Amino acid sequence: NAGVTQTPKFQVLKTGQSMTLQCAQDMNHNSMYWYRQDPGMGLRLIYYSASEGTTDKGEVPNGYNVSRLNKREFSLRLESAAPSQTSVYFCASRRNRGASTDTQYFGPGTRLTVL
Amino acid sequence: QKEVEQNSGPLSVPEGAIASLNCTYSDRVSQSFFWYRQYSGKSPELIMSIYSNGDKEDGRFTAQLNKASQYVSLLIRDSQPSDSATYLCAVNGYSGAGSYQLTFGKGTKLSVIP
Repeated sequence: NAGVTQTPKFQVLKTGQSMTLQCAQDMNHNSMYWYRQDPGMGLRLIYYSASEGTTDKGEVPNGYNVSRLNKREFSLRLESAAPSQTSVYFCASRRNRGASTDTQYFGPGTRLTVL
Repeated sequence: QKEVEQNSGPLSVPEGAIASLNCTYSDRVSQSFFWYRQYSGKSPELIMSIYSNGDKEDGRFTAQLNKASQYVSLLIRDSQPSDSATYLCAVNGYSGAGSYQLTFGKGTKLSVIP
């Protein structure tokens, strides 16, 4: 039971390049999330998927797209990377079946640098 | 907009002392509350959850909730250098269609001095 996994762990891009961050969970969770974390800014929600087949914008969606490929996988795409997207990206998942007590679990993170 | 406020710190306490971390939230109807610990360069991990007014103890950790004051706290007794980390307060809010969404505070950095 690996929990939430993310690939890659580290990535360096040049401005304008594109890439996709991959996330998978093996806990049969309904909801999945993408956050970015910057010094002094805390965790900020980029996009989330409350259930398979649905995606919604979070607090900072500009410059990103997401795909909920199936119940296990939720990817984040940067179409044209900008230096402002240099950050640590965390994927998270949650069972979220109507119980407010459901715990949210995080992946190990991807450190992205855009030059 | 739902807000969760924490003192950013850093909070420095000597080894063996009690560390007190505080959090306030704006959404009056929130029902569940979580504390995450995040070591430098690592992802957040859940250490405590609390749903009812009062205290909840787990080892050296005690979470306290006062819904009337919209206030959550985390006490760490007998603080150890290994407790040095950033502590994130998270508050659950209903986002519709039977699902909930966490709102995180920016975190309080704790340093335990040997």
